[in-house]
This record gives sequence, C-alpha cells and structure tokens, in this order.
Amino acid sequence: SQTIHQWPATLVQPVGSPLSLECTVEGTSNPNLYWYRQAAGRGLQLLFYSVGIGQISSEVPQNLSASRPQDRQFILSSKKLLLSDSGFYLCAWSVGRGWETQYFGPGTRLLVL
Amino acid sequence: GNSVTQMEGPVTLSEEAFLTINCTYTATGYPSLFWYVQYPGEGLQLLLKATKADDKGSNKGFEATYRKETTSFHLEKGSVQVSDSAVYFCALKGSFGNEKLTFGTGTRLTIIP
Repeated sequence: SQTIHQWPATLVQPVGSPLSLECTVEGTSNPNLYWYRQAAGRGLQLLFYSVGIGQISSEVPQNLSASRPQDRQFILSSKKLLLSDSGFYLCAWSVGRGWETQYFGPGTRLLVL
Repeated sequence: GNSVTQMEGPVTLSEEAFLTINCTYTATGYPSLFWYVQYPGEGLQLLLKATKADDKGSNKGFEATYRKETTSFHLEKGSVQVSDSAVYFCALKGSFGNEKLTFGTGTRLTIIP
C-alpha cells in the first residue's frame, strides 16, 4: 500500500531563517506531487506541483521554492522566512495523467516568529 | 475559472443530529467532485467523490449527490457522532486534461455530546 511521510511535524523558526520541509511517498512510482499551504482560517492554496523528477510548476509567486531530486521525494524550501509563511503545509500525491484523487500527508505546522 | 463555494462555519450540532454542509461549484464541462475531511492535527483524507452527474458518493455514513442542474454537491449525514468533528472541504477537478483540484475554504464541524 502507498504511504506518504512529511517531516518535521511541527517547526518554529525565526524570521529570516531558511526552511526545508521534506515529503516522501512509498509504494508507488512516478507520482504527481503537490505542496499546499493552509493558512489559519483559510482554505487550501496550491503552491507547487510536479509531474516528474526536476519538473516543478509554481502556482503563485512567493518566498518559497520546491525541488524534486528523486521520483518520490518533494522538498519545499525558503532562503529567508517571512512572518506570512506561517501555516500548515500539506504534501499530496496522485497518479495518472490528470489530477485525479489526491492523497495527503499528515502535514507540517510552521510558525515563524 | 473553476470555483467552489461552501457554507461558512463553524457548524455546531448535537450528537445524532442531521447534518448538511452545502457546496456549490462553477466549472465548465463535467468536473469531478470531492469531499475531503481533516481531523484535528492531521492532513486531509478523501471522504467521498462523484465523477458524473447524478452519481452519489458515500462513505462512513456520509453521502453527497452530484447535481448538475443546481451545480451542487451537498454533504449529508443522518446521525452525526462526536468523532465526526473535523473540517470538511468540498473540491472539484476540472474535466479538461491536467486541471488542478480547486478547494472550498472548508467548514469546521463540531459535534457536542
């Protein structure tokens, strides 16, 4: 069966510090991978998606970047965090040509102080 | 573009009450429709889905019917439990190629004993 892991589960970082959040998927090959952010009291915002190694599409301009160094690994990064980067970050995967049913990881709660 | 509108929460009900969470959508073509649930401190889980008009998705006592004439996908449950307390997201995936999932803003449901 497929599983998706995210770490860390919780992170408190000072403004201006770097960020690296990791997501890995097991039990499937060549998944589509996604990063979402859920800000307090708001819905989900798609940040990045990837259909293959090294292929990253950005949905909104922001202070973050994403990379996919391996087939089942997706990394969310920032060189300098802003207060507005605080939120709940969710990684998800799907298979197939379309954006079919997505399966979400447990999330990382990021608080920037 | 595609959009999803959910009833605003929070919604508070007593145990064994009837639940309806409204969801309407705007999309061209024939989108697929989803309900996701997010339990406290966790990521999103797919609750149910429907891929064509008049389909009924169901899971864990929850149901939603894809109504194209009213562009709606309301979530219902006949008798809620405390364990149903969560945030519920309505979402759609467009029918054209590689379209992304579009989420509603979520509805927080609290069930009191």
